[in-house]
Amino acid sequence: DADVTQTPRNRITKTGKRIMLECSQTKGHDRMYWYRQDPGLGLRLIYYSFDVKDINKGEISDGYSVSRQAQAKFSLSLESAIPNQTALYFCATSDFGAGGRETQYFGPGTRLLVL
Amino acid sequence: RKEVEQDPGPFNVPEGATVAFNCTYSNSASQSFFWYRQDCRKEPKLLMSVYSSGNEDGRFTAQLNRASQYISLLIRDSKLSDSATYLCVVPYSGAGSYQLTFGKGTKLSVIP
Repeated sequence: DADVTQTPRNRITKTGKRIMLECSQTKGHDRMYWYRQDPGLGLRLIYYSFDVKDINKGEISDGYSVSRQAQAKFSLSLESAIPNQTALYFCATSDFGAGGRETQYFGPGTRLLVL
Repeated sequence: RKEVEQDPGPFNVPEGATVAFNCTYSNSASQSFFWYRQDCRKEPKLLMSVYSSGNEDGRFTAQLNRASQYISLLIRDSKLSDSATYLCVVPYSGAGSYQLTFGKGTKLSVIP
């Protein structure tokens, strides 16, 4: 079973609709992240959470909100979807290994199309 | 904005060739660096971490030049399975914020 799962994997929605993307992890990591990836722009950080009570805005948080329901769950919401939010969305977790070295583990991604 | 710049690519190389990707970063305070690999329509996966002047893992060598703020990834004896996009990643932290900044990636195609 995958350690970081995302649902749905694909979603088509209309402008103005509210949608939620969900992320779950079984790795026991405190840190979780939401990114979006667009062709030619690379991965950009939307929000991140270092524990259940800690939520931080990333580079491009406008138009998005998040909820950290538990250590294992981190949801991303688009309150009123717009076409330029069409992208591939990744959830990630991270831990610190030997020597304090961080590794991020990504979910399989959610492809979102806003019409 | 924190910048991470990579060779634009794409790199099309024959099997067995040696290929190198370059990456420059703007934050001189960064201490650790990463190369991630991303296959088409898949999630990124960690390939190598770089914390000192460089490290080697089999056919892959990552090198760091702090003075020039430059990271490289060398792949020797390229395999067809090496075809992917390679992402340079630099953490930025300070003043209560933290994020990994990803380069746009360099696409590699290894040709039979």
